[in-house]
Amino acid sequence: TQLLEQSPQFLSIQEGENLTVYCNSSSVFSSLQWYRQEPGEGPVLLVTVVTGGEVKKLKRLTFQFGDARKDSSLHITAAQPGDTGLYLCAGDTGNQFYFGTGTSLTVIP
Amino acid sequence: NAGVMQNPRHLVRRRGQEARLRCSPMKGHSHVYWYRQLPEEGLKFMVYLQKENIIDESGMPKERFSAEFPKEGPSILRIQQVVRGDSAAYFCASSPGLQYEQYFGPGTRLTVT
Repeated sequence: TQLLEQSPQFLSIQEGENLTVYCNSSSVFSSLQWYRQEPGEGPVLLVTVVTGGEVKKLKRLTFQFGDARKDSSLHITAAQPGDTGLYLCAGDTGNQFYFGTGTSLTVIP
Repeated sequence: NAGVMQNPRHLVRRRGQEARLRCSPMKGHSHVYWYRQLPEEGLKFMVYLQKENIIDESGMPKERFSAEFPKEGPSILRIQQVVRGDSAAYFCASSPGLQYEQYFGPGTRLTVT
């Protein structure tokens, strides 16, 4: 069983469009991280959210942690080809990190 | 600051050989995690180590796989008698502690022929 489910699994959009990626679980996390991974490379940490309801912005990326600390979303405004990659969420239960199933995003110029 | 280092980046082994993957954590980090990733998939946790101790190896196959993080030197993930199904990307991450963010290395891509 997968503790963290991400949706959609694959997403292909045109440059300039907006998109939202979801990360859902029935478990409560003390913190949640979002990573982006490009082909042939390791995941790179984008953000950590800790407080229920917290919203963090990183340029065109907006991250939100659910009030109950069970889910999170990543919204990208005006997507660019450079946003292409695999987006992974990871939750910390206090005992272990669990990674989500991943969302593979392709932004077409 | 040097990031997490992994070597080799690419490793080719014939079935039955041994594979040794090395990971040097970031400076000041004493916690190391190993993950495995298949194409187009997320990361699967394998093992979590602190210096000289295995803390959690619940994700590691019980046979042929072992990991260590000695007092001196890098962490080693060892796969004995490799089979084709072991072909994957293996990532190492490090952190200063359990409830801290993990920083990943570039990975080792293992191909078993």
